[in-house]
Amino acid sequence: DMQMTQSPSSLSASVGDRVTITCQASHDIRNYLNWYQQKPGKAPKLLIYDASNLETGVPPRFSGSGYGTDFSFTISSLQPEDIATYYCQQYDDNITFGQGTRLEIK
Amino acid sequence: QLQLQESGPGLVKPSETVSLTCTVSGGSFSGRNYHWGWIRQPPGKGLEWLGSIHYTGSTHYNPSLRTRGTISVDTSNNQFSLRLRSVTAADTAMYYCARQSSSGEWLEAFDIWGQGTLVIVSS
Repeated sequence: DMQMTQSPSSLSASVGDRVTITCQASHDIRNYLNWYQQKPGKAPKLLIYDASNLETGVPPRFSGSGYGTDFSFTISSLQPEDIATYYCQQYDDNITFGQGTRLEIK
Repeated sequence: QLQLQESGPGLVKPSETVSLTCTVSGGSFSGRNYHWGWIRQPPGKGLEWLGSIHYTGSTHYNPSLRTRGTISVDTSNNQFSLRLRSVTAADTAMYYCARQSSSGEWLEAFDIWGQGTLVIVSS
């Protein structure tokens, strides 16, 4: 079974900080990875698809990179409205989500 | 724009069957390049994909669900549904429906989500 290991599980950062979350797949998934943002009490929102493509309407401070088994998601300058939980999702072998990273403001 | 709305009973007793429906409005339901998926999230926990269906009826399931769950489609009403049998407390979760981009039978990203419907399994 495909396993997605996302880290860290939680993160505290200051407004303006650069924030990076990583996601590691147990097998090569090429670039078949997406990133979502979920704010409290809301449905997830797609931010990045195919590892590095920005979904329409998503601010350019969000970015993704990686290929194979190692992927990263970056917020270049953290804003207060970015407080949320972030999930990676692979679609190479069925569909699996990472465990999530809870992002808080310091 | 396209919107998805889940509906369900809210409270279900253990061992019973829960049926959830997702109604799609404001856009195409019968597009070739989309599937329609169910994802759930237990309180305070992460996301779990349950399965997806194409408007033609072609389905994909999470292997963990295959024996208890069935996803069906009603194109005349732009709806798709999830039936989950023999529920237990572990099935208590927010259940989301979502549109999923696809290339043929290759499932990809969930790009539009419903607001979710909470299912509580309790006697």
